[in-house]
Parts: sequence; C-alpha cells; structure tokens
Amino acid sequence: KNEVEQSPQNLTAQEGEFITINCSYSVGISALHWLQQHPGGGIVSLFMLSSGKKKHGRLIATINIQEKHSSLHITASHPRDSAVYICAAVNNDMRFGAGTRLTVKP
Amino acid sequence: KAGVTQTPRYLIKTRGQQVTLSCSPISGHRSVSWYQQTPGQGLQFLFEYFSETQRNKGNFPGRFSGRQFSNSRSEMNVSTLELGDSALYLCASSLGPGQGTYEQYFGPGTRLTVT
Repeated sequence: KNEVEQSPQNLTAQEGEFITINCSYSVGISALHWLQQHPGGGIVSLFMLSSGKKKHGRLIATINIQEKHSSLHITASHPRDSAVYICAAVNNDMRFGAGTRLTVKP
Repeated sequence: KAGVTQTPRYLIKTRGQQVTLSCSPISGHRSVSWYQQTPGQGLQFLFEYFSETQRNKGNFPGRFSGRQFSNSRSEMNVSTLELGDSALYLCASSLGPGQGTYEQYFGPGTRLTVT
C-alpha cells in the first residue's frame, strides 16, 4: 500500500462543476502539500497546510489530521484548471501521491 | 524576484555516461531539494541540501549524488547512466528548516533522456 493515496486517478468534469480530489496518507506529517502540474511539466505549489482549511480564489484545501485525510476542492471549474493535481506528505522529505489528472471540458 | 532556474532544460545522454544538472534557487532560499519524475514511479524524492549539507536522502542508489555551494546553488550528478534514469528531474527551493514555511517552489525541470 502506498504511503500517500489519491483518488480519483482521472476526473473529467464540465465547466462550472464543483470538483473534489481526495488524499489519504499513512505516514506522520508536519504538513500536507497540494501541487498542480501542467502538461509542460512545471509544478506550482497550491497549498501547504497542517490543520483546518485554506482558500485561494476558487480553490479550497482541507485537512483532517485525525483521519489522515485531505481534500482539494475547485469551485466553478474552468478548462484552464485542467492539470494533474498531486498531494505530498511533508515531514523530513516529501512523499507524493500518484496524482489526479483533471480534465475540464467547456 | 526570479524563480527557480534549472539548466539544462533538455539533455540526451548515452548509457554509461555521467551527467550534471544545475539548480539555482530563489534568492534568499537556502534549501534545495531534488526530485525524479517518471511515468511509472511518479514523483520521488532524491535529496535535500541546506547550508551546503545534505539533510535528507531518498531511496536511490549511490550513482545519484548532489552538492550545494555557498551561494545555495545546487548540482546533482548521475554516474553510469542507465536507461531507467530517463526522467524529468525537478529541483525545488525553500527558505529552509526553522526559517518559516517549508513551502517549496519548483523549477521547470531538466528532461533527461538516456539512449
């Protein structure tokens, strides 16, 4: 079993839909990192959180430390949100999930 | 403020050769981490350097090594290249431990192809 599991692996949505990507981890963490990777390969940091909830524009990330679970939500999805979303458990190093490939259709 | 830069962006090498990749962190960042990304294994942690010292190392063979210079720039070296070393190599910089957020900023990557 992987230390960091993401679901779903692939997700297709229509523009405007509310999207949820889930991340479960089995290792101890100091923080949970959500990353976005576009087709060119560049990775952008979206959130780093160790408790509660963070919001940035249409993106919301939550974490439940007791349940070792985090979710990334995208409200009013847009085709430009199409990317691979990766969660990473942060401690002394980063352990990555396999990623969720999101495609938002117009 | 300039972002993380990596050179070269693309590289083609032959099995058995060695390669050196370079990473320049964001100004003021003292920690540099290296990652390997392949279609089969996804993103994997290679090592982290802070103040010219290796802090952490992932589960990679000794053919993979790195170093960090006094200006925080970092290099990683892969010797005796194998076909399986073909990957996107990413570096990321952060302020460093005890310096506030551990949030990392990624460079564009170096795509290495081994033939």
